[in-house]
Amino acid sequence: EIVLTQSPGTLSLSPGERATLSCRASQSVSSSYLAWYQQKPGQAPRLLIYGASSRATGIPDRFSGSGSGTDFTLTISRLEPEDFAVYYCQQYGSSPRITFGQGTRLEIK
Amino acid sequence: QVQLVQSGAEVKKPGASVKVSCKASGYTFTSYGISWVRQAPGQGLEWMGWISAYNGNTNYAQKLQGRVTMTTDTSTSTAYMELRSLRSDDTAVYYCAREGPYYVFFDYWGQGTLVTVSS
Repeated sequence: EIVLTQSPGTLSLSPGERATLSCRASQSVSSSYLAWYQQKPGQAPRLLIYGASSRATGIPDRFSGSGSGTDFTLTISRLEPEDFAVYYCQQYGSSPRITFGQGTRLEIK
Repeated sequence: QVQLVQSGAEVKKPGASVKVSCKASGYTFTSYGISWVRQAPGQGLEWMGWISAYNGNTNYAQKLQGRVTMTTDTSTSTAYMELRSLRSDDTAVYYCAREGPYYVFFDYWGQGTLVTVSS
């Protein structure tokens, strides 16, 4: 089973700052099968990035994804007030088919 | 527009079963799969399983094998998730999410259904 470990657990930043979120896999993951989601309180997750670096429809270009193998990164170039939320990475594998990271909480400093 | 609309909140006693529905609209239902993901209060996301709306093939998370059944009704474009022998740690918000035929991520999600298991 591939385990995804996200860091940091909580990130405290101010609007306008740059956020860098990490997702590390216990085994190599195909870039095609790595996605990122944003979740706000009381809402369903929203797809941000798929294929490690492709933005989903309607996602602002301040969100970008990168990485390969076991190390993946979600970067938010300039934080807007609406970006403070919890972020999850997700990968597709053989068994289990889907795993999520434990999440990174991005909070206002 | 693509929509996944789930059934309402449920309160169940330990040992009971729950069946949550997810009605799809705005796309060809049988061209996609549906995964179910749950989230316990204050916790992260847990994938439960997947069903192909095309042929009904399923793949369940090992920890839920034997307790979960996922089905679809293509005549109404609805997916169902039934969980049996409920325990208190099954208390969670349950989401359905659309998964593409050629991609394994979730581009649309239902609004979530809170299932509370309490005696």
